[in-house]
Amino acid sequence: DAKTTQPPSMDCAEGRAANLPCNHSTISGNEYVYWYRQIHSQGPQYIIHGLKNNETNEMASLIITEDRKSSTLILPHATLRDTAVYYCIVRVATFFPPGAQKLVFGQGTRLTINP
Amino acid sequence: GAGVSQSPRYKVAKRGQDVALRCDPISGHVSLFWYQQALGQGPEFLTYFQNEAQLDKSGLPSDRFFAERPEGSVSTLKIQRTQQEDSAVYLCASSLYRTDGTDTQYFGPGTRLTVL
Repeated sequence: DAKTTQPPSMDCAEGRAANLPCNHSTISGNEYVYWYRQIHSQGPQYIIHGLKNNETNEMASLIITEDRKSSTLILPHATLRDTAVYYCIVRVATFFPPGAQKLVFGQGTRLTINP
Repeated sequence: GAGVSQSPRYKVAKRGQDVALRCDPISGHVSLFWYQQALGQGPEFLTYFQNEAQLDKSGLPSDRFFAERPEGSVSTLKIQRTQQEDSAVYLCASSLYRTDGTDTQYFGPGTRLTVL
């Protein structure tokens, strides 16, 4: 799996958009970008994933640059409950056996939402 | 529906004791993963099951660690002769794969093991 680089910490004001960057300059063409977060004392939680197109779901948006060497996770209206460690992970799709790819977590970005 | 559950949530063991950690995955999820998370670190992969078959155990740190999933649902991670360095949170995740080869892993709350 390609390695990712994230800032160790970020702050954001409640109600504002939180933009979390991730560099993955060695990403391969068949590797997806995944984002998970881990709130204190809980297990990691899936947020979103994408290959090359921008993606949006009820939790967040994922913007992937055209060269796919970096991406940004956007939480549009951050709340105090979004305070967590956010992990950016690149991961190849597998078919034999399907879905059989471990997640390789780095240190992540500790995001603090301030009131 | 119910998510991934793990028990016990907390376990204190004396050095040298054996422990067993249980994971109940989401019903119907074929894949099951175990991770170990040391304090202040990201989770690290231990082992992976597809149904009852253990397809990858490359992350198990020593032969004191053993995992099983005999009927393809509940899984148990057993640690024999626990050592202080085994103190960590043990996370279980289950997933369903998509036809595009991706999946979403759903994590349990973890078991915090403290070895004295």
